[in-house]
Amino acid sequence: AQKVTQAQTEISVVEKEDVTLDCVYETRDTTYYLFWYKQPPSGELVFLIRRNSFDEQNEISGRYSWNFQKSTSSFNFTITASQVVDSAVYFCALSAEETSGSRLTFGEGTQLTVNP
Amino acid sequence: KAGVTQTPRYLIKTRGQQVTLSCSPISGHRSVSWYQQTPGQGLQFLFEYFSETQRNKGNFPGRFSGRQFSNSRSEMNVSTLELGDSALYLCASSLYGYEQYFGPGTRLTVT
Repeated sequence: AQKVTQAQTEISVVEKEDVTLDCVYETRDTTYYLFWYKQPPSGELVFLIRRNSFDEQNEISGRYSWNFQKSTSSFNFTITASQVVDSAVYFCALSAEETSGSRLTFGEGTQLTVNP
Repeated sequence: KAGVTQTPRYLIKTRGQQVTLSCSPISGHRSVSWYQQTPGQGLQFLFEYFSETQRNKGNFPGRFSGRQFSNSRSEMNVSTLELGDSALYLCASSLYGYEQYFGPGTRLTVT
């Protein structure tokens, strides 16, 4: 079975601070995919990134960066110079092709509040 | 390209009734998945359809069912509604099942 843990339930920062959202996963599959989604108050889940288990390269996209470490089963997400518009719930998710196909197993989510 | 659309956006039903939710995927996408989001249980997978066949199913009772049409549009049905079925129901579409793009959801309230 797969499991995703986001230990931080809520994080509050002041604008321009850097913030890191933690994600730890469990799976027995050797091939799997990790995702981050953003859910603003409107409710729609916005896709941010997908990584596969064979690609441990860190990725940067503008103010967003992701750190994937198989050794610690973690896939952390950092927002640099946070902005008020970053306020949302962020979900980390996992899909493992062999045992669960494309079904996503989500973490509990981290509510990020960026204050002006 | 238009995104995933879901109808209706809001719905209020009474216990015991049934409900049908609709999802239109992104053009060209053949996989449609459904998820239920509640404050207590979080985001949970319901089922996935690919080319009109159910390819994957979560741990929900048989009251929850779905189908997919030849144009990839999907419907989800819940029969004999219970108060605990109140939730945000999210539909996601993808080309083959990996990168899933979500719609705005249908918020169902059961009274």
